[in-house]
Amino acid sequence: SAVISQKPSRDICQRGTSLTIQCQVDSQVTMMFWYRQQPGQSLTLIATANQGSEATYESGFVIDKFPISRPNLTFSTLTVSNMSPEDSSIYLCSVVGGYEQFFGPGTRLTVL
Amino acid sequence: RKEVEQDPGPFNVPEGATVAFNCTYSNSASQSFFWYRQDCRKEPKLLMSVYSSGNEDGRFTAQLNRASQYISLLIRDSKLSDSATYLCVVTLTDSWGKLQFGAGTQVVVTP
Repeated sequence: SAVISQKPSRDICQRGTSLTIQCQVDSQVTMMFWYRQQPGQSLTLIATANQGSEATYESGFVIDKFPISRPNLTFSTLTVSNMSPEDSSIYLCSVVGGYEQFFGPGTRLTVL
Repeated sequence: RKEVEQDPGPFNVPEGATVAFNCTYSNSASQSFFWYRQDCRKEPKLLMSVYSSGNEDGRFTAQLNRASQYISLLIRDSKLSDSATYLCVVTLTDSWGKLQFGAGTQVVVTP
C-alpha cells in the first residue's frame, strides 16, 4: 500500500490569491494524479503529474489555472491560481500502487 | 449525460438487513470497475473490484452486467459501520489511474 500525506489539510483563501498544495508519498511511484471533489459532486480528475515532463491535463482544466510540479517520484504540488469561490473544493492527490489506487486525505479549500 | 450515474440515496437500512444499489456507465469501452467507500470528510478507499463473473468479499457482493452497462453492490447483514457513501468507479482501457467516479450512493444503517 501507499501512504499519502497532503499539506495543508485545509485553508480559507481570499479571491484572487493562489494556493499551493503539497503531496508526499512514502514510496516511489510512477504516476501521480490530482483530483477535485466539489461539494456534493463526484471526484473529477484534474491532471496526471509526470516526473520529468509537463503534467497532462484533462478536458476543462488548464496549466495556467492549475500548474503542477513533479520534481521526483515521491512528491508533487498542485497550485490553484487566481482563486474564485467556484474553486472551493476538496483537492486530492492519488497514486497507483500495485493494482490499487490510493488517495491522500485531501485539502479542503474554501475561497471567500 | 454523466459518464457514471448513481442513485444518491440515502438508503436507510435497519441493522442486519440487506441493501443493494446499482450504478450505470455510459461508455461501453469501460474496462475496469470498482466500488470505493468514502466516509464523511475522508478520502475514498477501495472496497472491492468488480469482475465480469461477479465476486464476493464477506458480506459484500458485486455484479457486472456489460450488456446493460451497470454494476451493482449488495451488502448483507448490514452493520452500523457500513454507513458511508459508496462510489462507483470505472476506467477506460489503457487509462490506469484515470478513474471516473459516480457521485456516490449514501447508505445509512440504523439501529
